[in-house]
Amino acid sequence: DAGVTQSPTHLIKTRGQHVTLRCSPISGHKSVSWYQQVLGQGPQFIFQYYEKEERGRGNFPDRFSARQFPNYSSELNVNALLLGDSALYLCASSLGQGPPETQYFGPGTRLLVL
Amino acid sequence: EDQVTQSPEALRLQEGESSSLNCSYTVSGLRGLFWYRQDPGKGPEFLFTLYSAGEEKEKERLKATLTKKESFLHITAPKPEDSATYLCAVQATGSGTYKYIFGTGTRLKVLA
Repeated sequence: DAGVTQSPTHLIKTRGQHVTLRCSPISGHKSVSWYQQVLGQGPQFIFQYYEKEERGRGNFPDRFSARQFPNYSSELNVNALLLGDSALYLCASSLGQGPPETQYFGPGTRLLVL
Repeated sequence: EDQVTQSPEALRLQEGESSSLNCSYTVSGLRGLFWYRQDPGKGPEFLFTLYSAGEEKEKERLKATLTKKESFLHITAPKPEDSATYLCAVQATGSGTYKYIFGTGTRLKVLA
C-alpha cells in the first residue's frame, strides 16, 4: 500500500513569494495534519483537517493556510515568505477517529527561502 | 502549558551496548504517547503507540514503556543501522485539538 505522499520534494523560493505544498494521505485515512520542522527541532503543529473541516490550528501566523479536498488530499499555502519559513514541511495522515490516533508521516517537502 | 522533554539530546553507543532514551511529559488529559524514528532529511517513521501507564510494546531491538510521567525507549544490543533521531510525541485533549506535541528528539549514533 502507498504511504503518505508529498510534493514537491524540494523547493527554493525568495522572500515575499507564495508557496503551495501538496499531500495525499494513506488510502482510507480522512484526516491530514501539517507540521513544520526546523533543523535540530521536533515537528511543530500547524493545522489538522478532517472531512474538509479544520479541526485544529497551531501558533502560526495568518500567512499560513490550508485546505482539504473531497478526496482527502490537502494543500498547505504560505504567503509572503520569510527567511524563517525555511524548514521541512511534513504531512501526516490518520483515520481521524481519535484521539488517540496514530499519525503516519510523509517524506516531507524541504523549503528554502532566500 | 503542555510540554515534552527528551533526554539525552545525543547518545553515542558501541554496537551491542544497550541503553535507554527518556521522554518526560507534562500535559492535560494524555490520550496517547508515540515514538518515531527519523533519518536525516526524511519524515518520521512510526514505531509505537502507548495509551496507558504500565503499557509496554516491543519491536525487534526496541521496547517502549509508559508511566504516568514519562516513557522510555529501551534499545537492546543496538546495531549501526539503529542510528537515527528518535522522537517522542504526545496527544492530549487539554489543548482542545488533536495535535501532536513533539519533543526535540534524541540523536543516536551506534558505532561498529
